[in-house]
Amino acid sequence: EAGVTQFPSHSVIEKGQTVTLRCDPISGHDNLYWYRRVMGKEIKFLLHFVKESKQDESGMPNNRFLAERTGGTYSTLKVQPAELEDSGVYFCASSRPLRTASSGNTIYFGEGSWLTVV
Amino acid sequence: GDSVTQMEGPVTLSEEAFLTINCTYTATGYPSLFWYVQYPGEGLQLLLKATKADDKGSNKGFEATYRKETTSFHLEKGSVQVSDSAVYFCALTPGGAQKLVFGQGTRLTINP
Repeated sequence: EAGVTQFPSHSVIEKGQTVTLRCDPISGHDNLYWYRRVMGKEIKFLLHFVKESKQDESGMPNNRFLAERTGGTYSTLKVQPAELEDSGVYFCASSRPLRTASSGNTIYFGEGSWLTVV
Repeated sequence: GDSVTQMEGPVTLSEEAFLTINCTYTATGYPSLFWYVQYPGEGLQLLLKATKADDKGSNKGFEATYRKETTSFHLEKGSVQVSDSAVYFCALTPGGAQKLVFGQGTRLTINP
């Protein structure tokens, strides 16, 4: 079974440019998440999709960030325009549908997309 | 709100030493607890988990026990290897929710 895959693995762009990150979750995983870790700080939640719907986008830092998951399969995260403080690693993750409130579903992560804004 | 506090790093040990990385949490309800690991140049991997009080998660010689009374989930290994060098993240999902809350990470370096 293929894991969570992310593209590109590394990206270097200039301030003001646009970057689009893509994530393909594990097949059958309705839940898809975006997280990021900037400058050696803790990994922070950005948002959560259930199929194509945004379940929780409370972690999105500002309106320069746009996440989509058309058709409930892969997802994209666009940063437009990019700023220096957006540099970091962006992780995508996925998990199976949550069947019980206390099931503690395992969340599987991709290898991350490393973004450098110069 | 929910939070995770990890032992500050970096931590440097010699091979075959005993490892403890402390992790405490604050959460409402009954969270599930996790340790994730990031090896150099790789993504996050689930190392072990525990979903209820007194559960012990274990994998690759690492162990952690869910202690509700002390709100802790300390990671331990009896004899570390050079290949254990990585960044370790303690995390939780609040009861009934799917959103992971991470600690700040602890960089571990094992010297031969």
